[in-house]
Amino acid sequence: AQKVTQAQTEISVVEKEDVTLDCVYETRDTTYYLFWYKQPPSGELVFLIRRNSFDEQNEISGRYSWNFQKSTSSFNFTITASQVVDSAVYFCALVGGGGADGLTFGKGTHLIIQP
Amino acid sequence: GAVVSQHPSWVICKSGTSVKIECRSLDFQATTMFWYRQFPKQSLMLMATSNEGSKATYEQGVEKDKFLINHASLTLSTLTVTSAHPEDSSFYICSARGGTGFGYGYTFGSGTRLTVV
Repeated sequence: AQKVTQAQTEISVVEKEDVTLDCVYETRDTTYYLFWYKQPPSGELVFLIRRNSFDEQNEISGRYSWNFQKSTSSFNFTITASQVVDSAVYFCALVGGGGADGLTFGKGTHLIIQP
Repeated sequence: GAVVSQHPSWVICKSGTSVKIECRSLDFQATTMFWYRQFPKQSLMLMATSNEGSKATYEQGVEKDKFLINHASLTLSTLTVTSAHPEDSSFYICSARGGTGFGYGYTFGSGTRLTVV
């Protein structure tokens, strides 16, 4: 069975602060993919990143960065210099097996950026 | 990029009626489609997986006779909530893939908010 844990239910920070969203996963598969999605109040899912299990390089995209550590089964997401527009629910997700399955989502972290 | 169109965006129906939600891949052939349900302030839970031309595979606890999924073509999948009840009120979102290997991404529709009164 696969599992994704996002222990932080809600985080509130003041604009321009850096914030890290934690994601811990469990899987027996040796090959798997990890994802982060943003869900604004409108509900649609905005794709942020996909990372495969063989690529542990950290990634940076503008103010966003991701830290993937297989040793701790974690795939954390950091927003630098947060902005009000970053306010949303963020989901971490996992797919393993042969890639034919649907995604297993964490419970999400509600990020509130206060002006 | 890959686009998935989902309609309607929201729907209100009376208890006991059926509602159909459509999910279309606009610029690629979706060999596999997934349907998720999200209750307020909760995570997305996979309901079922459908491959074009095959019967859908439902996750444990999902009533296949209540949530009818049809994936009759490579660009269209439908979810019909039959005899809807207030507890079926939820956000339903589809996802489509162009293939089953890891190289294929997951493209999500914009979701359908169902309210049963």
